[in-house]
Amino acid sequence: DAMVIQNPRYQVTQFGKPVTLSCSQTLNHNVMYWYQQKSSQAPKLLFHYYDKDFNNEADTPDNFQSRRPNTSFCFLDIRSPGLGDAAMYLCATSSFPSYEQYFGPGTRLTVT
Amino acid sequence: TQLLEQSPQFLSIQEGENLTVYCNSSSVFSSLQWYRQEPGEGPVLLVTVVTGGEVKKLKRLTFQFGDARKDSSLHITAAQPGDTGLYLCARASGGATNKLIFGTGTLLAVQP
Repeated sequence: DAMVIQNPRYQVTQFGKPVTLSCSQTLNHNVMYWYQQKSSQAPKLLFHYYDKDFNNEADTPDNFQSRRPNTSFCFLDIRSPGLGDAAMYLCATSSFPSYEQYFGPGTRLTVT
Repeated sequence: TQLLEQSPQFLSIQEGENLTVYCNSSSVFSSLQWYRQEPGEGPVLLVTVVTGGEVKKLKRLTFQFGDARKDSSLHITAAQPGDTGLYLCARASGGATNKLIFGTGTLLAVQP
C-alpha cells in the first residue's frame, strides 16, 4: 500500500545532541511537510517542500533544518535539541494542487 | 484572521452516546477537511467538504458544511471506544502555498 513512513517511531536524545528524523513516501507526492505537535494540540507546521523548493515558516527556530534529497525522502534535523523540543514530529505529503494531506505515524522525540 | 475554532475542546462520553463537534471561522473558506488522530498515530483524513450545505456520511459519522461556508460540524452516532482520538478540522491557507490551517482540535474519549 502507498504510504508515508517515519523512522524511528520513538527517539531519545540528550540535551544539545543533534538528532535526525526521517520520512519516506511511496505516494509520489510533490509536497512534503514537517509538523511539530505537543500534547493533543493541533500540529504546528515547521516547513514544507514543494518539489525541491523549501518553504520555512516565519516562527520556526533556526535550530530546525530540513533536507529533501529526492522526491521520496525528507529529513528533519534538530541541531541542538532543548527540553522544549520534546514533541511528536509528523511528516505529511500532498499532491499539489490538492490540499488533502497524508500523514505518517509520527516520531515521538524525548530529550533528556 | 483565519483561525478555526473548534468546540468543545474536550469531550468524554459513554459508549452508545451521540455527539457533535463544531468548527467555526469568521471568514469564508472554499473547502474544509476533517481529520481524526488516534493516540500515538498521525492524523488520518476522514472527509473533504466543498459545497455550502453539503452533507457527507461515513458510516456513523455525518459531516456538514455550513450554507455560508464559514462553519462545519461532525456528528457521531452511537459512539464507540474506537472513535476515541483528536478530531481536527482544517482549511486551505490560500494563496500560492499548499498549506493547511488546522482548527484548535477536539479531544474525544469514549468510555466503554
